[in-house]
Amino acid sequence: DVKVTQSSRYLVKRTGEKVFLECVQDMDHENMFWYRQDPGLGLRLIYFSYDVKMKEKGDIPEGYSVSREKKERFSLILESASTNQTSMYLCASSSPTGGAGEQYFGPGTRLTVT
Amino acid sequence: AQSVTQLDSQVPVFEEAPVELRCNYSSSVSVYLFWYVQYPNQGLQLLLKYLSGSTLVESINGFEAEFNKSQTSFHLRKPSVHISDTAEYFCAVSDRPGNTPLVFGKGTRLSVIA
Repeated sequence: DVKVTQSSRYLVKRTGEKVFLECVQDMDHENMFWYRQDPGLGLRLIYFSYDVKMKEKGDIPEGYSVSREKKERFSLILESASTNQTSMYLCASSSPTGGAGEQYFGPGTRLTVT
Repeated sequence: AQSVTQLDSQVPVFEEAPVELRCNYSSSVSVYLFWYVQYPNQGLQLLLKYLSGSTLVESINGFEAEFNKSQTSFHLRKPSVHISDTAEYFCAVSDRPGNTPLVFGKGTRLSVIA
């Protein structure tokens, strides 16, 4: 089975802190994604990556950056956390070959910024 | 660009009653369609997918969805729900499998009442 793990299930940070959210997948998937999930808004794509050291902006990249130094790891960085970044963050991975590109999700990190 | 509309944000239903969760997508020549389920405090899990072939697809836990090209719909149904089906359900679409992120609807919260 595909396994996507996220470094923390719950995280509390202060306004202005630099925050790192880590995601690791064990299925050698080329594609990785970061979403945030908010009530009534569904999933919104922040950034995605097709390969190591490659990244593409999603729908809401402002206030975030990403890093992909190794194929299995995709990090989301909040340079200076703000209260409006309090949310559930979901990481996903997929393969561009085989299947229909379905994405496999981690358990999520619930981030609270105070 | 693709878009997905889930017409109901919340659907309450009594246990053992049938349920239909509605999903419509914007038109495209060909699409790949997905339903994901999210149980409380968990990530998203793939429930079922349509790639091609038979327009009716089934999941292992009794859900089914029917691809209707003329109505651009992919509604999810279950003839008899259980308490354990209480979750949020997301419809997603892709028109280019591979290096294209899925486009998700805003989700439908299914609440099964004993």
